[in-house]
Amino acid sequence: GQSLEQPSEVTAVEGAIVQMNCTYQTSGFYGLSWYQQHDGGAPTFLSYNALDGLEETGRFSSFLSRSDSYGYLLLQELQMKDSASYFCAANAGNMLTFGGGTRLMVKP
Amino acid sequence: DADVTQTPRNRITKTGKRIMLECSQTKGHDRMYWYRQDPGLGLRLIYYSFDVKDINKGEISDGYSVSRQAQAKFSLSLESAIPNQTALYFCATSETYGNEQFFGPGTRLTVL
Repeated sequence: GQSLEQPSEVTAVEGAIVQMNCTYQTSGFYGLSWYQQHDGGAPTFLSYNALDGLEETGRFSSFLSRSDSYGYLLLQELQMKDSASYFCAANAGNMLTFGGGTRLMVKP
Repeated sequence: DADVTQTPRNRITKTGKRIMLECSQTKGHDRMYWYRQDPGLGLRLIYYSFDVKDINKGEISDGYSVSRQAQAKFSLSLESAIPNQTALYFCATSETYGNEQFFGPGTRLTVL
């Protein structure tokens, strides 16, 4: 089976940098995905890490360390619209297992 | 136009009723999934299908059944709804070798 742990809530200021962590215990792990979900909306894909290291896409970066069973999502130059829930998900080939999510609140 | 659609968007039903949630997609993806989301929790996989003839149980399939009527359509049924099935239900699709899943807008189901 798989289990993923994420802090439940993070608060940051507009313009700042925030890191949201994810630790996992899995079998048959292929990689780690990140999804964003605004209140009342559907999850949308942000990134996927199959290999150790940092992947950057604009203001978003995602990191994976397989040896530590750990990953994080880094958001730079925070904007109010980044207030949302962020979920890490372990890819086991056939399906995704999601963590409980981190709710990010961005304050002015 | 939405690529993944779900009907109905909201549904209130009573304990013991049978209910079907429908999902359609125009993305041409072979893989389709049903998840449920409870407040403050992540998504949990109910069933998934890799093609029309392939149906697999997910993490929490008890009390649910599915039907893959065509590549584009994947339905979730609750044969006899119970209150703890009150949740937000999402359908998703993906390419066969893709890492990204595309989610529908969700169906909010309330079982009284």
